[in-house]
Amino acid sequence: AQSVTQLDSQVPVFEEAPVELRCNYSSSVSVYLFWYVQYPNQGLQLLLKYLSGSTLVKGINGFEAEFNKSQTSFHLRKPSVHISDTAEYFCAVIFTGGGNKLTFGTGTQLKVEL
Amino acid sequence: ETGVTQTPRHLVMGMTNKKSLKCEQHLGHNAMYWYKQSAKKPLELMFVYSLEERVENNSVPSRFSPECPNSSHLFLHLHTLQPEDSALYLCASSQDYGNTEAFFGQGTRLTVV
Repeated sequence: AQSVTQLDSQVPVFEEAPVELRCNYSSSVSVYLFWYVQYPNQGLQLLLKYLSGSTLVKGINGFEAEFNKSQTSFHLRKPSVHISDTAEYFCAVIFTGGGNKLTFGTGTQLKVEL
Repeated sequence: ETGVTQTPRHLVMGMTNKKSLKCEQHLGHNAMYWYKQSAKKPLELMFVYSLEERVENNSVPSRFSPECPNSSHLFLHLHTLQPEDSALYLCASSQDYGNTEAFFGQGTRLTVV
């Protein structure tokens, strides 16, 4: 079955510390991978995406993610977080050839503390 | 500014009311989507329109009725809703159905009382 898993529902971290938000997927077909961020009372904004090519993808606001096909993962990282990064982060996957719709994980709430 | 605008931002309605949510995009996109976002649950895709034709209807109750009069506008008509329908309803658009990133509106926070 095709699925997207974000195991961490909440991740607290101190300002200027590094952070990694985990995303794993299950699929027998090729995938396109996305990370979205949602600030309070806002819609979702695309942080970065992997469609093909280099497995290390850089996005906005200093975030990056690495596609690991063997581990079926697409973890999001930032070397030094800021208070303004406090938000909910969603991993999403398009399973090619299967209707081509975005399937979202349950989200990870990142809380940056002073 | 994401290019996708949703109105109203907040809506409170009784279970016997009829209301509509509106979504507008000025990005020249061909596909538009309605998602439901409930607490502690993944985003649920409700409807997809591609080139103004409905291409997906994911077992959504008939009390939700979408309408896509043209490529720039998408509506979600609501009637006889239940309290469990309270959620954030997000509209999104993409250049084409499925193979590119989606751009989201800010959502309509719906409360059914």
